[in-house]
Amino acid sequence: AQSVTQLDSQVPVFEEAPVELRCNYSSSVSVYLFWYVQYPNQGLQLLLKYLSGSTLVESINGFEAEFNKSQTSFHLRKPSVHISDTAEYFCAVEGPETSGSRLTFGEGTQLTVNP
Amino acid sequence: DGGITQSPKYLFRKEGQNVTLSCEQNLNHDAMYWYRQDPGQGLRLIYYSQIVNDFQKGDIAEGYSVSREKKESFPLTVTSAQKNPTAFYLCASRKQGALGEKLFFGSGTQLSVL
Repeated sequence: AQSVTQLDSQVPVFEEAPVELRCNYSSSVSVYLFWYVQYPNQGLQLLLKYLSGSTLVESINGFEAEFNKSQTSFHLRKPSVHISDTAEYFCAVEGPETSGSRLTFGEGTQLTVNP
Repeated sequence: DGGITQSPKYLFRKEGQNVTLSCEQNLNHDAMYWYRQDPGQGLRLIYYSQIVNDFQKGDIAEGYSVSREKKESFPLTVTSAQKNPTAFYLCASRKQGALGEKLFFGSGTQLSVL
């Protein structure tokens, strides 16, 4: 079975500082990887995803994530964060091992950007 | 605008009572999902449905029931057998058989016990 581990439950940073949210997964086969973001009292929104091809994927708001197959990681980074980036971030994995076309989510990382 | 609508936004359950959470989508998606969110535990899958009149248990189905009589609707009933129902419930949908496709989420229902 697949699993996802987000290594930090809380990440506090100051505005304009760089940030990295860590995600590791376990799977013996090829997978698809996702980062979703959740703002308070809302549902989740897709931030970015890796399906195949270039291992570096980017979102429209400056986040990027790099797929590292040897380390089974998919860490999320942003070089300079804004107050508006404060939210909870979820890493998720999907692959042939999951039945019914469903995702497995990590526990979430709360990113808090302080002025 | 296409999307997923969950109602109500807040719901309170009395001891021994069954309550039903509504989820409606107009995205023409075949697959629909119910997740439970607890602080520090991420999202856990309760039930999912890939086609009308068919659904499967997820990882934490005990104490819950669903129906899928229409493509647009996937209501979740929290039964009295669910002893710890307080949580944030999220409904989602996406294209059927679409590995790698994104999930579209509703804005959630917060269920609390009186």
